[in-house]
Parts: sequence; C-alpha cells; structure tokens
Amino acid sequence: GNSVTQMEGPVTLSEEAFLTINCTYTATGYPSLFWYVQYPGEGLQLLLKATKADDKGSNKGFEATYRKETTSFHLEKGSVQVSDSAVYFCALRSEISQFYFGTGTSLTVIP
Amino acid sequence: IAGITQAPTSQILAAGRRMTLRCTQDMRHNAMYWYRQDLGLGLRLIHYSNTAGTTGKGEVPDGYSVSRANTDDFPLTLASAVPSQTSVYFCASSPTGKKQGNEQFFGPGTRLTVL
Repeated sequence: GNSVTQMEGPVTLSEEAFLTINCTYTATGYPSLFWYVQYPGEGLQLLLKATKADDKGSNKGFEATYRKETTSFHLEKGSVQVSDSAVYFCALRSEISQFYFGTGTSLTVIP
Repeated sequence: IAGITQAPTSQILAAGRRMTLRCTQDMRHNAMYWYRQDLGLGLRLIHYSNTAGTTGKGEVPDGYSVSRANTDDFPLTLASAVPSQTSVYFCASSPTGKKQGNEQFFGPGTRLTVL
C-alpha cells in the first residue's frame, strides 16, 4: 500500500540555522511527492513538488529531491527565518490520484 | 479567483444537532475531499468525490455524509454531532487525470466545536 512517514516534531531552531525535515514513503508505481506548509490559522499551501525520480522541487529557499532508491523526499533549507515557523506536511499522490499525508512537523524558528 | 471557499469559518454546536459544512470551488476540479485535522493526528480523510455524482468513504467516515450534485459544491453533513467531532475541517480539490504532479488545493478550514 501507500503511506508517508515524516519525522515527528516539534522542531525548534534559531534563525539562520539549517533545516532538515525527513520524509520517507511507501508506494506502488510512480507517485508524485509534495511538501505542503500550514501557517497558523490557515489551510495547507503547496510549498514544492516533484513528479519523478531525481527531480528536485524548490521554492522560497526550500528544496527536496525525489530519491527513489531510498524512497525519501527530505525537506531542506539552508537558513531559516522566523517567518518559516509553520507546520510542514509531506504528501504523496498515487498514480490513481489518491493522496496520502504525513502527520506533519511543527517548526518554530526563534530570533 | 477565489479557489476554495468554506463556510462557516467557525461554529459552536450543541451535541445532537445537525450541521452542514459548505465547500465551493471555482477551479472546475473533478475531485474534492474532506479532511479533519486533529492535534498529533495530522490530516485524516473523511469522504471524497472523484467526479460529480459519485462519492467514496475515506479513513474516518462514520458520523459524516457528503453529496456531490455538481462540480463546484461538496457539502459535509454531521447528522447528529458528538463531542469527538470537534476538529478543524478542511475541504480540498484536485484535477484528475494521468498528469503527474496535480496537487490538492485546500480551503481555509472550518473550526467546529461540539459541546
């Protein structure tokens, strides 16, 4: 079956620190992979995506590479800001358009 | 372009009452979804619809019903609310088809409290 596992939080970092949020998946076929971000009191917004192996999604300084050999899609940012404080969700879209979400990782960036 | 709208924004409801959460999208997406979000549990799929006129059960469908009379609207009904249905509810939509990378678009959510 399909599933997504992401590292549990909460994660607290100082401003300008390096961020990694781990995400691994189980899937049949060739899924698409996504990272969503949820700011307090809001719905989820797409942060970045990758549709095939070795693709790198990037947006707002965040990056994630679709690694089929390790079934991973880890989110990284070189220098976090206070405004990056949010909950981050890793997600998978199967070949038949079903979506699977991780449980979310809360990030707090302190000045 | 509004995207996805949900109503109400928040609601406090007495247990046993009937409640319908509204969801409308203007992107002409075939697929629509209802999730609930609870602390520590992430998003859990309640019901979905792959196209107008069809619906399906998700991970936690009990106590909820949906209908999909047209492409744009996907209301979620709680026939007799219970306190365990206190949650934040998100509606989402997505294009269907074989194109990879079609993401889900989310509404702003409805915060429901059942007392």
